[in-house]
Amino acid sequence: AQKVTQAQTEISVVEKEDVTLDCVYETRDTTYYLFWYKQPPSGELVFLIRRNSFDEQNEISGRYSWNFQKSTSSFNFTITASQVVDSAVYFCALSRDYKLSFGAGTTVTVRA
Amino acid sequence: SAVISQKPSRDICQRGTSLTIQCQVDSQVTMMFWYRQQPGQSLTLIATANQGSEATYESGFVIDKFPISRPNLTFSTLTVSNMSPEDSSIYLCSVARGGGTEAFFGQGTRLTVV
Repeated sequence: AQKVTQAQTEISVVEKEDVTLDCVYETRDTTYYLFWYKQPPSGELVFLIRRNSFDEQNEISGRYSWNFQKSTSSFNFTITASQVVDSAVYFCALSRDYKLSFGAGTTVTVRA
Repeated sequence: SAVISQKPSRDICQRGTSLTIQCQVDSQVTMMFWYRQQPGQSLTLIATANQGSEATYESGFVIDKFPISRPNLTFSTLTVSNMSPEDSSIYLCSVARGGGTEAFFGQGTRLTVV
């Protein structure tokens, strides 16, 4: 069965601090895709990043970076130099047969 | 990316009534889904909207409660039938492409049942 765990319920930081969001997943598939989405208060789900299971290279995209470690089944996401506009709920998701299984979400509050 | 338009964006409905949510995609897609997000919760897959055949429902969701139509490769509807306050949620349409490497969402329909 697919399972995604986001142990952090809420994170509160001051602007310009870095924020790291944890995500641990379970799957029996050898090929899978992992995603991070952002959901601001308006409710829409905004795609942030994607990583496939056979590429463990970690990357940086602007203020976003991610750390994918297959050995520990973790896919952590970092926002560098956070801004107030980063305040949102962040979801980690695992894809199987095009369907997504989501974690419970982490609410990030960035204070000015 | 895919542009997904959902209508209505929000609605307040009386219990016992039904609401149909529309989802329009700007390009043809094979895989189309409907998710529900209850207040303060994560997203849960309701069903896969299959073009030309009956939708495939996930455990806990039934066709009588959530009938889905998919008349073509760019459009789908989800109906929430005989609503109760427990149906108050955000309902999101999603499309997947690229062998599951891409998954996009509409802006959601925020439903409140009173």
